[in-house]
Amino acid sequence: NAGVTQTPKFRVLKTGQSMTLLCAQDMNHEYMYWYRQDPGMGLRLIHYSVGEGTTAKGEVPDGYNVSRLKKQNFLLGLESAAPSQTSVYFCASRGRPSSYNEQFFGPGTRLTVL
Amino acid sequence: AQTVTQSQPEMSVQEAETVTLSCTYDTSESDYYLFWYKQPPSRQMILVIRQEAYKQQNATENRFSVNFQKAAKSFSLKISDSQLGDAAMYFCAYRSADFGNEKLTFGTGTRLTIIP
Repeated sequence: NAGVTQTPKFRVLKTGQSMTLLCAQDMNHEYMYWYRQDPGMGLRLIHYSVGEGTTAKGEVPDGYNVSRLKKQNFLLGLESAAPSQTSVYFCASRGRPSSYNEQFFGPGTRLTVL
Repeated sequence: AQTVTQSQPEMSVQEAETVTLSCTYDTSESDYYLFWYKQPPSRQMILVIRQEAYKQQNATENRFSVNFQKAAKSFSLKISDSQLGDAAMYFCAYRSADFGNEKLTFGTGTRLTIIP
């Protein structure tokens, strides 16, 4: 049981390039999330999904797109990367609403945009 | 909008001693969840402890316990018998209990150093 995995772990892009970050979970969770973490700040929600085929905007969605074609995968896309998108990106998932609503996090992807 | 404040950017404690990390939050809601997450140098976010707002009893997980003061909107984390492996960033987080509200609001974190 690998939990939540993220690909790649590190990436360097040039301004204007595009890329996709992949998140996969093997816990059959309904909900999946993408966060970014910047120095001196807590994690901020970019987009999330409450089930296969659904997506919704979070706190800081501009410049990102997402897709949830399969229940176990949640993709985060940057169409035209900007230096302001240099950050560490975390994916998380959780099961159907429960008494604790715990989110399980992946190991993160460090993205640098030059 | 809910906010979470961690006023201690850094804390240090001697190994085997006890340390308390502070967290306050602002909300107009009556039902919500509170969490403490640990982020070691590996970057992996690990849930330490959780509390449901409607529960009066403070949560405890082995050496970790919370002091939840709902009226004061305070949610502090106490680590007893501190160990070297406890060194990490600790984040307090808030989540509404409203169905459909998926936002998990994090504080800015407290870096905990354990002194051997």
